[in-house]
Amino acid sequence: GAGVSQSPRYKVAKRGQDVALRCDPISGHVSLFWYQQALGQGPEFLTYFQNEAQLDKSGLPSDRFFAERPEGSVSTLKIQRTQQEDSAVYLCASSLDHGRAYEQYFGPGTRLTVT
Amino acid sequence: GESVGLHLPTLSVQEGDNSIINCAYSNSASDYFIWYKQESGKGPQFIIDIRSNMDKRQGQRVTVLLNKTVKHLSLQIAATQPGDSAVYFCAEKGAQKLVFGQGTRLTINP
Repeated sequence: GAGVSQSPRYKVAKRGQDVALRCDPISGHVSLFWYQQALGQGPEFLTYFQNEAQLDKSGLPSDRFFAERPEGSVSTLKIQRTQQEDSAVYLCASSLDHGRAYEQYFGPGTRLTVT
Repeated sequence: GESVGLHLPTLSVQEGDNSIINCAYSNSASDYFIWYKQESGKGPQFIIDIRSNMDKRQGQRVTVLLNKTVKHLSLQIAATQPGDSAVYFCAEKGAQKLVFGQGTRLTINP
């Protein structure tokens, strides 16, 4: 079966441009997560959805970051007016349900480079 | 705040030897820990998890040990193979989100 997919896999943006990163979770997975992974670091939590509801956005670094999941399936992470410090791999993960017992399955990530 | 960290950023072992990757955590209230493997260009892949009411759990060629007294977690890989080359992360799982450590890069010498 298909896993979590993300597009584009690579994105180069000039500073100040807006970008949109897409995540297609595993079909039927209720929970969806976004993480940011800087080079040589572990992933850091950005935001979490349960179906279409964004229940936790405490990890979003600024109001330039916005995420949505309008129909409870595909999610988009949007970054406005990109800055060089936004350069990172953006990982999406989904799980069948919320709670500790449910494994999070990760996509391959989108590598964003801001020049 | 909460943090999950690793003692060693790199580990090099001979093929066939056992590997031990260590992790320290600071949140004594954590009750669920997971080890992930991340290969270049891929997302983290689940290896094994352990609950805080356990001190050891075994999988296929892997064992996770938890010492709550010193807040230490380790991953043991038996008979390390070239395919084990990757970065390994420990993570604490909260109600939903994962808190990851920095990672240890494991390289295998032939």
